[in-house]
Amino acid sequence: GENVEQHPSTLSVQEGDSAVIKCTYSDSASNYFPWYKQELGKGPQLIIDIRSNVGEKKDQRIAVTLNKTAKHFSLHITETQPEDSAVYFCAATGYSTLTFGKGTMLLVSP
Amino acid sequence: GAGVSQTPSNKVTEKGKYVELRCDPISGHTALYWYRQSLGQGPEFLIYFQGTGAADDSGLPNDRFFAVRPEGSVSTLKIQRTERGDSAVYLCASSSGGSFDTQYFGPGTRLTVL
Repeated sequence: GENVEQHPSTLSVQEGDSAVIKCTYSDSASNYFPWYKQELGKGPQLIIDIRSNVGEKKDQRIAVTLNKTAKHFSLHITETQPEDSAVYFCAATGYSTLTFGKGTMLLVSP
Repeated sequence: GAGVSQTPSNKVTEKGKYVELRCDPISGHTALYWYRQSLGQGPEFLIYFQGTGAADDSGLPNDRFFAVRPEGSVSTLKIQRTERGDSAVYLCASSSGGSFDTQYFGPGTRLTVL
């Protein structure tokens, strides 16, 4: 089955800095890659996703890049704000549903 | 519009007891998923429904776990003879179509088995 590796497990940045989270996947048949943000005590919330027919997608301060040849994809957050602090999960489609990475705890200090 | 809702938000039970967890998906969503999330981990797939039928139940850990979706809307996850290792947050998600469509998650049910 699909295996998703996510790095780093923890990321601390100063407000205004950029943050990058990287993921690799194993199943070359995967073609849908969402990113979720999870705040304490809440369910994961989709923040951006990308499909295999594009290499990059941007939505305001958030962007995702995908390299299908290397089987890795990354989340980029620019101009970070304290409210960006949360756990971020990458995921990839496996056989019939999503396989998640272990998460990255992002801490943005004012 | 209303999102995915789950009840109860918290459930504390004793080892060996039976529990039911309920999920109300977004109206009109045909696909429904159950995941389990342990502390410090990502959600782990349990079962996927397309309509009333289980399209993929390969993630259910053993035969103590069972889920139903009799009318293609609300789903119930049932756990028999609970064990302390079953303690986790159980998340439900729904999507408008198949597994490649955006999945929207509920807030989860935190299950604690004493």
